[in-house]
Amino acid sequence: EAGVAQSPRYKIIEKRQSVAFWCNPISGHATLYWYQQILGQGPKLLIQFQNNGVVDDSQLPKDRFSAERLKGVDSTLKIQPAKLEDSAVYLCASSWDRGTGELFFGEGSRLTVL
Amino acid sequence: DAKTTQPPSMDCAEGRAANLPCNHSTISGNEYVYWYRQIHSQGPQYIIHGLKNNETNEMASLIITEDRKSSTLILPHATLRDTAVYYCIVRTQGGSEKLVFGKGTKLTVNP
Repeated sequence: EAGVAQSPRYKIIEKRQSVAFWCNPISGHATLYWYQQILGQGPKLLIQFQNNGVVDDSQLPKDRFSAERLKGVDSTLKIQPAKLEDSAVYLCASSWDRGTGELFFGEGSRLTVL
Repeated sequence: DAKTTQPPSMDCAEGRAANLPCNHSTISGNEYVYWYRQIHSQGPQYIIHGLKNNETNEMASLIITEDRKSSTLILPHATLRDTAVYYCIVRTQGGSEKLVFGKGTKLTVNP
């Protein structure tokens, strides 16, 4: 089966600019996650969706980050305006439902903010 | 914060067994132990999980101590492609609890 698709793979922007990342989860997966992974650290959950509703966004910096999952399938994560410390890999993952701990991750989108 | 403690790095010879330890001394009765790995420039990959019995699949074996305060992930015949960061995570099954990743163990398999 097709895995989790993410784009773009790489993005370089200047601080204060905006950027958007796209994720297409595995077909039929109800739960979608966005993680941020800073170099040398483990991934940190930013937001979790169950279908098109938000389950957990407690660690999402809402003054600059936003995410949506229209129609309960694809999702976009936006950063506006970007800061230097937002340089990281943004990982999208999906799972059958929120009760399982078996997540399927995409390859990630690497953001560099100059 | 992560509820587990892992060594930051380990080395293993190709073809030998790799034994990756994890300490989770505060684990509660309904929490499972999960293992993921992350190969360079890829997203994390699920390996295995267990509650109290030992588990085995095509990728690895998971040995959990009787008191459940620690576990060991075993890769029986490590290959160069097993070089990765391995994460040990404890999580309640069935709820909406998020997966909390620590820094993991960087395993290097040497030829």
